[in-house]
Amino acid sequence: KNQVEQSPQSLIILEGKNCTLQCNYTVSPFSNLRWYKQDTGRGPVSLTIMTFSENTKSNGRYTATLDADTKQSSLHITASQLSDSASYICVVSAGTNAGKSTFGDGTTLTVKP
Amino acid sequence: DAGITQSPRYKITETGRQVTLMCHQTWSHSYMFWYRQDLGHGLRLIYYSAAADITDKGEVPDGYVVSRSKTENFPLTLESATRSQTSVYFCASWDRGNTDTQYFGPGTRLTVL
Repeated sequence: KNQVEQSPQSLIILEGKNCTLQCNYTVSPFSNLRWYKQDTGRGPVSLTIMTFSENTKSNGRYTATLDADTKQSSLHITASQLSDSASYICVVSAGTNAGKSTFGDGTTLTVKP
Repeated sequence: DAGITQSPRYKITETGRQVTLMCHQTWSHSYMFWYRQDLGHGLRLIYYSAAADITDKGEVPDGYVVSRSKTENFPLTLESATRSQTSVYFCASWDRGNTDTQYFGPGTRLTVL
């Protein structure tokens, strides 16, 4: 069974600090890995998407890495801001079937002043 | 307005009633999806559609019906609502050929009493 596990479940950091969120997956055949940000009461918004051949992708202060050999990904947030408080969701897609995406439960990040 | 919209945003209904959640996108993306998100858990795919008149089951389709007579609309119907269907429902469309990004609507919070 395809699975995506994210850690930690929740995280509290001070404004201006960096943090790293983890995503481990057992999805086959691997197609791509996406990170989403979901603000409270809103739908998820795409941050990055990486295919098998990509090992890093940046979007402003967000940098995602992918190690396809160990089936791990991380999302690094630099110089956190209060607006970074949200849930971050890792999604791994299998093959070319649009319906074969597995969502992680997300990491809830709280940035405090 | 361009984008993806859902209606209603909030709905309270009673067990056994039929409920239809609406989803509309203005981009003409061929793929559309319905997910449910339960408190503290990841999104789970209910149904998806690759094009008008083409739909397929996701992970949790029981108790739900979808149709897609037009590319821009993808309604989700709960034929006989149950308390276990209390959840937040997200519609999404997929820009497969261009940005390869999935765009989510704002969600519908459904409560079944």
